Amino acid sequence: SQQGEEDPQALSIQEGENATMNCSYKTSINNLQWYRQNSGRGLVHLILIRSNEREKHSGRLRVTLDTSKKSSSLLITASRAADTASYFCALRQAGTALIFGKGTTLSVSS
Amino acid sequence: DVKVTQSSRYLVKRTGEKVFLECVQDMDHENMFWYRQDPGLGLRLIYFSYDVKMKEKGDIPEGYSVSREKKERFSLILESASTNQTSMYLCASRDTRRATETQYFGPGTRLLVL
Repeated sequence: SQQGEEDPQALSIQEGENATMNCSYKTSINNLQWYRQNSGRGLVHLILIRSNEREKHSGRLRVTLDTSKKSSSLLITASRAADTASYFCALRQAGTALIFGKGTTLSVSS
Repeated sequence: DVKVTQSSRYLVKRTGEKVFLECVQDMDHENMFWYRQDPGLGLRLIYFSYDVKMKEKGDIPEGYSVSREKKERFSLILESASTNQTSMYLCASRDTRRATETQYFGPGTRLLVL
């Protein structure tokens, strides 16, 4: 089964800046989801975008999906120190289980 | 709020021991999942369960088995623990009755096999 590939692997920014992370994949999907993981904890669902959608917003999060390029991006605007975490894209293909990527580690310094 | 709990946050076991990792969810979800998470490898699916007494192998089932006798509980079993099973284990559940496809995760169990 395929994984999503996040890029970059690590990102360091200052508070107030925007953070953009990308996810690329290889085969068709039903939807793509983004999750956050604080250090040593479980994952928390952030946002889902379906294959027929191009953009979704949730608070300071903006997700885009380009199925022709098989890629998605997660933008966090006006980042805060509390946004420091690892972010994972997860692919939903036909079937039940999500397939997770390796994650982007975001560090936001004040 | 959905709550997924795992029996231990930290566990230390010896090589060859039989290890049980328990996961309980309180929202009557049909689907449950076990993942392991390793640095540089992300989350990899070990087993999942569609419903009670049903199970499917994920990407890395070797060395593991599972049990789902009750809907709320999904157990991961390491029949004979080995050092390469030292990892963070994450359990998740999903409600298939709703349009949402969110997976809800437990806090994880960090297992060290000596």
